[in-house]
Amino acid sequence: GNSVTQMEGPVTLSEEAFLTINCTYTATGYPSLFWYVQYPGEGLQLLLKATKADDKGSNKGFEATYRKETTSFHLEKGSVQVSDSAVYFCALRDSGNTPLVFGKGTRLSVIA
Amino acid sequence: GAVVSQHPSRVICKSGTSVKIECRSLDFQATTMFWYRQFPKQSLMLMATSNEGSKATYEQGVEKDKFLINHASLTLSTLTVTSAHPEDSSFYICSARDRGDGGQKLFFGSGTQLSVL
Repeated sequence: GNSVTQMEGPVTLSEEAFLTINCTYTATGYPSLFWYVQYPGEGLQLLLKATKADDKGSNKGFEATYRKETTSFHLEKGSVQVSDSAVYFCALRDSGNTPLVFGKGTRLSVIA
Repeated sequence: GAVVSQHPSRVICKSGTSVKIECRSLDFQATTMFWYRQFPKQSLMLMATSNEGSKATYEQGVEKDKFLINHASLTLSTLTVTSAHPEDSSFYICSARDRGDGGQKLFFGSGTQLSVL
């Protein structure tokens, strides 16, 4: 079946540091890939997505590229801020109306 | 943007009691809602899919008589954990699909942390 593996947290970084959160997936077809973010006390929000190989999703300075050859969708940001502290979930969806399959989530703490 | 309200955010209950969790779409109609749970250090796992006006579809290994799901309207779905036991302690989160947006956008509640003593 489909699955998502993302790096274990927590991750603690200083402000302006470079962030990478690794995510790899296993899927039978050609899934769409997502990163969701959950800020403290709030629901999950879609951060970015990519629907086919070599697509790059980007939002709020975060980027992730759909790499079919390595089955990866790593999340990156060049310079993190304290306000980026949250839990980040990598997810995939096999086709239009199927449920999302999530990774375990990675907690990021950014300190000033 | 679209908002999904989930209540309560945290509940502590005694073993054997029932707990109801509500999930409301505040500014859109949701024909489909999903219920997930997450045990510590595990992935968010889909429990069930509920469609308005019909019975929920449960994932393998999820007891439908224990986790009662009611999706009575286009804006409300409830999950009732019946006769809760300590092993039901988990983080439960709902998501709703926006009917009016081609059904492609999902919005999530903020989750409910259930602790069963």
